[in-house]
Amino acid sequence: AQKITQTQPGMFVQEKEAVTLDCTYDTSDPSYGLFWYKQPSSGEMIFLIYQGSYDQQNATEGRYSLNFQKARKSANLVISASQLGDSAMYFCAMRVIAGANSKLTFGKGITLSVRP
Amino acid sequence: DSGVTQTPKHLITATGQRVTLRCSPRSGDLSVYWYQQSLDQGLQFLIQYYNGEERAKGNILERFSAQQFPDLHSELNLSSLELGDSALYFCASSVASDSFSGNTIYFGEGSWLTVV
Repeated sequence: AQKITQTQPGMFVQEKEAVTLDCTYDTSDPSYGLFWYKQPSSGEMIFLIYQGSYDQQNATEGRYSLNFQKARKSANLVISASQLGDSAMYFCAMRVIAGANSKLTFGKGITLSVRP
Repeated sequence: DSGVTQTPKHLITATGQRVTLRCSPRSGDLSVYWYQQSLDQGLQFLIQYYNGEERAKGNILERFSAQQFPDLHSELNLSSLELGDSALYFCASSVASDSFSGNTIYFGEGSWLTVV
């Protein structure tokens, strides 16, 4: 079974500073993908970034980067130059392909608040 | 805009009633997933369809059912509703079921269901 762990309490960051949101995962499958999603207070689930288990380089998407440490089974999200609009809940998720089952397993999420 | 369309956005109904939530996946996406998000349970995977066929089942109650139609849109039917069914229901879609590399799962804006 797959498991995603997000244990940080609510996070606070000053506008324009960088912040790291932690995520650890557990799976016995060698092939998997790791995802981060942002959920603002309006409720929609917004895809941010993806990292494949065989990718050699850490993924980056604009101000988002994923610090992937395979041996430690961690996939931390780094947001650079935080903006007020980054205030939201952030979910780490994992997807393995085992037969026909390719659902996403989510962590409990981390609340990020950006201070002006 | 993720390209995944869900209707209705908000729904208030009474206990014992039945509702249908509708989802149109992104153009070209064959897989549809349904998730339930509640305060106490977090994000729970309900069911997945791929090109009209059920592919995976999660924590879906027997009172709930879903289907994917030939035009690839999907419906989630919730019957004999209880107060505890109040939640945000997400539909998500992806291109293929058994390939994950770069295969992002995009979410709709969700359907807020309130059972009173």
